[in-house]
Amino acid sequence: NAGVTQTPKFQVLKTGQSMTLQCAQDMNHNSMYWYRQDPGMGLRLIYYSASEGTTDKGEVPDGYNVSRLKKQNFLLGLESAAPSQTSVYFCASSYQGARTDTQYFGPGTRLTVL
Amino acid sequence: GDSVTQMEGPVTLSEEAFLTINCTYTATGYPSLFWYVQYPGEGLQLLLKATKADDKGSNKGFEATYRKETTSFHLEKGSVQVSDSAVYFCALGAGGTSYGKLTFGQGTILTVHP
Repeated sequence: NAGVTQTPKFQVLKTGQSMTLQCAQDMNHNSMYWYRQDPGMGLRLIYYSASEGTTDKGEVPDGYNVSRLKKQNFLLGLESAAPSQTSVYFCASSYQGARTDTQYFGPGTRLTVL
Repeated sequence: GDSVTQMEGPVTLSEEAFLTINCTYTATGYPSLFWYVQYPGEGLQLLLKATKADDKGSNKGFEATYRKETTSFHLEKGSVQVSDSAVYFCALGAGGTSYGKLTFGQGTILTVHP
């Protein structure tokens, strides 16, 4: 089992460029999440998906979009990158999205926007 | 809304010292509480959790008790090792329409010296 995988591991973009961060899980989990990690601020939820085909905004969704077309994949898009989006991005998944569920995290993508 | 407050870091200890990292929370309803650990260059992984009041979570010598009366979930370990050096995050998980979304504290950097 690979668990949760993320690609790419590192990315440098120029302001205004677009890109998609990819996340895949092989645990047959229903719920998936995208977080960003900034120094001194912990992790903040960008978007989440309770089940295949559904998505919803988290705490900091502005400037991002997501898609969950397949149960195992959750994509995070940046349409027009800004320096404020420089961060480390983590994808996570959980079995049912219940309050007791453990979330399993990927290794992260370090994004720099110049 | 829900929030989690962790003690300010970083924390520096000598090997075999006693560790306490304070965590308090604000939440409606009956959340679950988690401690996640992030080793250098890696994603987060669950350290322990407690899903109802007075529950004690434990793993790898770490313990934390869910105290509803003081809204706290302090992390303790009796004798730390160099290998415990990492960033520790306290988190709160809500249920229902929150679909297991986690609210994180800001993280506490722990460095253990030989």
